[in-house]
Amino acid sequence: QVHLVQSGAEVKKPGASVKVSCKASGYTFTNYAMHWVRQAPGQRLEWMGWINVGNGNTKYSQKFQGRVTITRDTTASTAYMELSSLRSEDTTIYYCARGRGSNCFACAFDIWGQGTVVTVSS
Amino acid sequence: DIQMTQSPSTLSASVGDRVTITCRASQSINSWLAWYQQKPGKAPKLLIYKASSLESGVPSRFSGSGSGTEFTLTISSLQPDDFATYYCQQYNGYSTFGQGTKVEIK
Repeated sequence: QVHLVQSGAEVKKPGASVKVSCKASGYTFTNYAMHWVRQAPGQRLEWMGWINVGNGNTKYSQKFQGRVTITRDTTASTAYMELSSLRSEDTTIYYCARGRGSNCFACAFDIWGQGTVVTVSS
Repeated sequence: DIQMTQSPSTLSASVGDRVTITCRASQSINSWLAWYQQKPGKAPKLLIYKASSLESGVPSRFSGSGSGTEFTLTISSLQPDDFATYYCQQYNGYSTFGQGTKVEIK
């Protein structure tokens, strides 16, 4: 079965960085892109960025440009999302999601991780 | 960014009802639209992609239609498991989502 399992909840101080991992199983990791989406309580989903897992190319939402870095480790079938210069507004749930299609940038997301809660508090 | 607007924001319905949710895009997105179901504390689940294609394993009571700027998700006969929040997503380039429609028990 296809699964994405994310790392556990994090508590960070303002100005710090957080790195969330997303381990894939049940499919060929390098054939599918990974996207990162976040969702504040009661708010709409917000796309943050994308990585072509095959070649490592990335694109980021302009909102997070300069603060977010998405990487992958193909040997570990794991993608990572690092967000820096954290502020209170970054307190939310972060999801990884597989693109439905071969390393697609513009696509629907067919498999999601369980979500990682990041809390930013002094 | 392409803005996505869903209506209604909340919908009260009974088991067996036919339910329709609308999603409007601020500019044409052709058929690059997906629908998701999300339950409290869970990740979204893909229901429909490319406006009208049913994702594998999703019950046939769910259907999607539309193109350009106006899209609909229809549940032909609402079941107890369908009470949830539904989101549309456009993926004509950088993805954006609608604000969600909560389907609650009448």
